[in-house]
Amino acid sequence: AQTVTQSQPEMSVQEAETVTLSCTYDTSESDYYLFWYKQPPSRQMILVIRQEAYKQQNATENRFSVNFQKAAKSFSLKISDSQLGDAAMYFCACGDNNDMRFGAGTRLTVKP
Amino acid sequence: NAGVTQTPKFQVLKTGQSMTLQCAQDMNHEYMSWYRQDPGMGLRLIHYSVGAGITDQGEVPNGYNVSRSTTEDFPLRLLSAAPSQTSVYFCASSFPGNYGYTFGSGTRLTVV
Repeated sequence: AQTVTQSQPEMSVQEAETVTLSCTYDTSESDYYLFWYKQPPSRQMILVIRQEAYKQQNATENRFSVNFQKAAKSFSLKISDSQLGDAAMYFCACGDNNDMRFGAGTRLTVKP
Repeated sequence: NAGVTQTPKFQVLKTGQSMTLQCAQDMNHEYMSWYRQDPGMGLRLIHYSVGAGITDQGEVPNGYNVSRSTTEDFPLRLLSAAPSQTSVYFCASSFPGNYGYTFGSGTRLTVV
């Protein structure tokens, strides 16, 4: 099974600035997938971005992009032009063809 | 299209009582999982299923049972509730592969 580590319990960013959230993972699988989820105060889990491990190109979704370093087993999330609505818990996750495991999360605060 | 529906949204149990958390999805997803979310610990996998009739244990299966008689439904049973099972429970579903899970809105369970 996978293990996922998020070493930053809390992060803060000024509105319109850029912030990077860190994530490292470990897995013995050769075929796996990586995800970032956002959880606002509403408690709903929202998929932000996903990356197939076999793809070298980093995924991008509008203001969200990842830096996927497969050899280092690192999968960081960059949020550009941060907005007040980006304030939430962010969870990194790693899944194979059986199940998906999550990190402990990073709480992002956006300052106006 | 309702997505993933969890019932109830809130529940208070007394120690020793049993109950079933319901989860249903209408997306014909093969994969379904149950997670519990506790402060500072992220989401931890309780049980998962890769198809009807197939279930397996996750990280924290003790005290919980599941069954998957249909593709749509994946109920989670608490056999004898304990205060340590106070948590927010999420059900999620997915197609196999890099699609990411779709989550229900969660059930907040308190055991007194």
